[in-house]
Amino acid sequence: DQQVKQNSPSLSVQEGRISILNCDYTNSMFDYFLWYKKYPAEGPTFLISISSIKDKNEDGRFTVFLNKSAKHLSLHIVPSQPGDSAVYFCAASEVLTGGGNKLTFGTGTQLKVEL
Amino acid sequence: NAGVTQTPKFQVLKTGQSMTLQCAQDMNHEYMSWYRQDPGMGLRLIHYSVGAGITDQGEVPNGYNVSRSTTEDFPLRLLSAAPSQTSVYFCASGPRTRELFFGEGSRLTVL
Repeated sequence: DQQVKQNSPSLSVQEGRISILNCDYTNSMFDYFLWYKKYPAEGPTFLISISSIKDKNEDGRFTVFLNKSAKHLSLHIVPSQPGDSAVYFCAASEVLTGGGNKLTFGTGTQLKVEL
Repeated sequence: NAGVTQTPKFQVLKTGQSMTLQCAQDMNHEYMSWYRQDPGMGLRLIHYSVGAGITDQGEVPNGYNVSRSTTEDFPLRLLSAAPSQTSVYFCASGPRTRELFFGEGSRLTVL
């Protein structure tokens, strides 16, 4: 039972255009959402996040949108650059009863930004 | 700033052998966790710890043991390796907020 889904395994975009990566979730207990970026042979690195009480968060070229009623979030990258080519993981967080937070990840989307 | 350090980076084991993947963080994070990454499966949580002396199971804990004797270290033990444990393993740590910091990964092959 996959609680966080990224249905597009890959996405190809031209440099300068907008990249839109999508993510769906099923668990209503998730209260915080994050996007991670991963280059080959490296660990994932945090990119941007959004609390469930917001519907948009922007950081430079990156914007995350959250639609709670649809249980859907998306990451917009504008303009896309070749260095953005990487695997992007969507993650959802829930509070643990013992303290701390548990992250559940999607399967990732490989973004390729072409010249 | 070292962050999260994993060793070894690569390891080849035979079925039935045991080994320990080491993870250390120097950021004084309370929360530490182990994930495995497999093609088409994303990152799946194996075990996690919310502080020294406290560990709990994630979604795929079978075949793995962990302990947390100090804040800094969170080793992952494979007691009897199986080919199904061939994967890339990531250790991650974080404060009691949300973002996790990941190590560079350990690629394990079980023959």
